[in-house]
Amino acid sequence: GNSVTQMEGPVTLSEEAFLTINCTYTATGYPSLFWYVQYPGEGLQLLLKATKADDKGSNKGFEATYRKETTSFHLEKGSVQVSDSAVYFCALSGIQGAQKLVFGQGTRLTINP
Amino acid sequence: DSGVTQTPKHLITATGQRVTLRCSPRSGDLSVYWYQQSLDQGLQFLIHYYNGEERAKGNILERFSAQQFPDLHSELNLSSLELGDSALYFCASSVAPRGAQETQYFGPGTRLLVL
Repeated sequence: GNSVTQMEGPVTLSEEAFLTINCTYTATGYPSLFWYVQYPGEGLQLLLKATKADDKGSNKGFEATYRKETTSFHLEKGSVQVSDSAVYFCALSGIQGAQKLVFGQGTRLTINP
Repeated sequence: DSGVTQTPKHLITATGQRVTLRCSPRSGDLSVYWYQQSLDQGLQFLIHYYNGEERAKGNILERFSAQQFPDLHSELNLSSLELGDSALYFCASSVAPRGAQETQYFGPGTRLLVL
């Protein structure tokens, strides 16, 4: 079936460190890919998205590239801040015309000053 | 603020009871989605409504039902509640199910605790 696998957390980094959160997917067809972020006590916010192969989504210093050959959509940021501490979810949609989001298990990120 | 509102924010109830969660989508959005977030199952899609009609069902229990009203707000009804129904329930909205790239905007969620 269609699924998303994220790297296991939690992830703890120091401020200004480089961040990578791995995400791979299994899907029939060509899904759209998303990263959502959940700050403590809040709902999910769209961070970035990519709708076709080789597209790069970017927002707030975060980037992810849709790699069809490796079925991956890894999230990266060059220099993290304490305010980036949150739970990050990779997700896909658009399989067989369905708009529902299929989420990975989430990765909790903590940035220490 | 996504523009999606959900009430109540917190709900504590007992096993066997019935509750109703309410969602108001962003102005102009016709699609409403419900998701459940629990520690053991993660984030799971429950159901999708578009302009009052059910469009897709996910892992929604028969004890759960939903509807979307003419003013486009939606309600998720959970009955015969069990301890395992304790979770965070999110509503999301989007403009229309025109394509997979439609962004879904999430509400703050309703935290349900069944004792």
